[in-house]
Amino acid sequence: EDQVTQSPEALRLQEGESSSLNCSYTVSGLRGLFWYRQDPGKGPEFLFTLYSAGEEKEKERLKATLTKKESFLHITAPKPEDSATYLCAPGSNSGYALNFGKGTSLLVTP
Amino acid sequence: DSGVTQTPKHLITATGQRVTLRCSPRSGDLSVYWYQQSLDQGLQFLIQYYNGEERAKGNILERFSAQQFPDLHSELNLSSLELGDSALYFCASSPSGGAVGELFFGEGSRLTVL
Repeated sequence: EDQVTQSPEALRLQEGESSSLNCSYTVSGLRGLFWYRQDPGKGPEFLFTLYSAGEEKEKERLKATLTKKESFLHITAPKPEDSATYLCAPGSNSGYALNFGKGTSLLVTP
Repeated sequence: DSGVTQTPKHLITATGQRVTLRCSPRSGDLSVYWYQQSLDQGLQFLIQYYNGEERAKGNILERFSAQQFPDLHSELNLSSLELGDSALYFCASSPSGGAVGELFFGEGSRLTVL
């Protein structure tokens, strides 16, 4: 059975304090690992797709990496506007839809 | 703006009632997905339609149903509502139908059942 677990559930950082979010997954044939950002009361917004172990993608202060069992979202020198919930979802050969983790709620304080 | 439009944005109703949520996908997207998001369960996949046909089912209750119309808009019907159905309901669209791909989400419909 496909599973995805995100940790930590919540993370509080000071502005400029770098950290990483974890997404552990078990799927029967990975067809992309997707990261989304969700602001309160809004729909998730696509950030990255990673397809193979070793792949990395960057966008501003965010960098996503992928191994065979995990993906990390590294946040370098975060700003308050990076505060949001970050969701990951592994695409699987066994389904058409994305099954999301419960997310990491990130709060960056000035 | 993702290009996906959902109505209504907010809906308050009573237990036992029936509601319909509407979604217009991005121009050109053939797939529509419905998700339910509650505080304790996170974002849960309900159902997918591709070009008018049901493509995949997730954790959708029998009291819930959906359809996609020839103009590609979709409706999610929720009946015999219970308190636990209170949640945010998101619609997402995608250009692809077969393979898992990037989804574009609407702003959601917040349902409150009293």
